[in-house]
Amino acid sequence: KAGVTQTPRYLIKTRGQQVTLSCSPISGHRSVSWYQQTPGQGLQFLFEYFSETQRNKGNFPGRFSGRQFSNSRSEMNVSTLELGDSALYLCASSPEGSSGNTIYFGEGSWLTVV
Amino acid sequence: GQQLNQSPQSMFIQEGEDVSMNCTSSSIFNTWLWYKQDPGEGPVLLIALYKAGELTSNGRLTAQFGITRKDSFLNISASIPSDVGIYFCAGPHVSSGSARQLTFGSGTQLTVLP
Repeated sequence: KAGVTQTPRYLIKTRGQQVTLSCSPISGHRSVSWYQQTPGQGLQFLFEYFSETQRNKGNFPGRFSGRQFSNSRSEMNVSTLELGDSALYLCASSPEGSSGNTIYFGEGSWLTVV
Repeated sequence: GQQLNQSPQSMFIQEGEDVSMNCTSSSIFNTWLWYKQDPGEGPVLLIALYKAGELTSNGRLTAQFGITRKDSFLNISASIPSDVGIYFCAGPHVSSGSARQLTFGSGTQLTVLP
């Protein structure tokens, strides 16, 4: 069974630009969550989507947004990039109705803002 | 908000030695999770704990859910080179009601010397 797939794996953007990251969950999983990982702040929850609806949102500014499609694939977007947005962005998928132990992470998308 | 204090921040041990790391919180957690992250990859779930006092093993790994629900520890016995990586504790954010909104500890970087 294929794991969580994230694209692109690496990208470099300039301050002020916007970026879109993509996540394909494990087949059959309908919940997708996004996390930001930085050396200073560690792993922080961004948001969770289920059945194309945002269920929870972490403490991030409105520049961070996401969406989920009918096939459960998800994208997250960061607008007006700042240097501090440089991070590893991790997507995680879970089957419907799962508890915390069945969260599967992808390898992440490394974003560098210059 | 919820915070997890994980210690130690880093460890250097000889191959074959046992390792212990722990997490504490000022808030009660109903689930404790332990993840390992290898360089360039996403976190992988090692052990999940659901009841206070629970002691669970996964091969050479053993983890316990503290009686107060505010702490957990992870032990690795007879360490080997492939144990190298960053170990994170995590738990579902209580107020969100979602098992996918995890709060993570700051991580323990483990180095195993031959």
